[in-house]
Amino acid sequence: GQQLNQSPQSMFIQEGEDVSMNCTSSSIFNTWLWYKQDPGEGPVLLIALYKAGELTSNGRLTAQFGITRKDSFLNISASIPSDVGIYFCAGPPFTGNQFYFGTGTSLTVIP
Amino acid sequence: KAGVTQTPRYLIKTRGQQVTLSCSPISGHRSVSWYQQTPGQGLQFLFEYFSETQRNKGNFPGRFSGRQFSNSRSEMNVSTLELGDSALYLCASRRVAGSTDTQYFGPGTRLTVL
Repeated sequence: GQQLNQSPQSMFIQEGEDVSMNCTSSSIFNTWLWYKQDPGEGPVLLIALYKAGELTSNGRLTAQFGITRKDSFLNISASIPSDVGIYFCAGPPFTGNQFYFGTGTSLTVIP
Repeated sequence: KAGVTQTPRYLIKTRGQQVTLSCSPISGHRSVSWYQQTPGQGLQFLFEYFSETQRNKGNFPGRFSGRQFSNSRSEMNVSTLELGDSALYLCASRRVAGSTDTQYFGPGTRLTVL
């Protein structure tokens, strides 16, 4: 099925640092969603993007829908220990209605 | 508004048994998708139901089946359990409104097969 390339695969950062991760696709997407998942729990929706070029913030999180509609970026500013988890991108491609997911970025914040 | 609920949260079964998992979507959402998540394979799509009809299906054997009821609640059944079926099973409720399409996950059911 459709694969979303997400990078980096893992990140180890100091508390207070900023974080950037991105997701790319070979197809055009209608929607980009970013989720955070804690161990043993379901993913929680962080930010939803619906228009090319859209930039949306949720507290210290900012995400952008790439203008080519084939990529998206998530930034976390001033990281704190509770930011630890796995972050996923997801969305339905323009030509289909099934959701596809990135492979995830594992974030570790060192106090 | 209540979120997606899944029951049970934890389940332990033995090989050869069958299991049924339940999911209640967010009120008003008519689409429910099921995913299997394992450390090695990540999130794998099982199937999606919309208005009681299976709309999409992933690449899983026929032992995995599902259904959706008229109130949008969904169940997933796995027959003849294998050790490799041990995983976190996630249900997602989907809302499509105009140009927006969003999916919300439940807390998951952790299935352990012994």
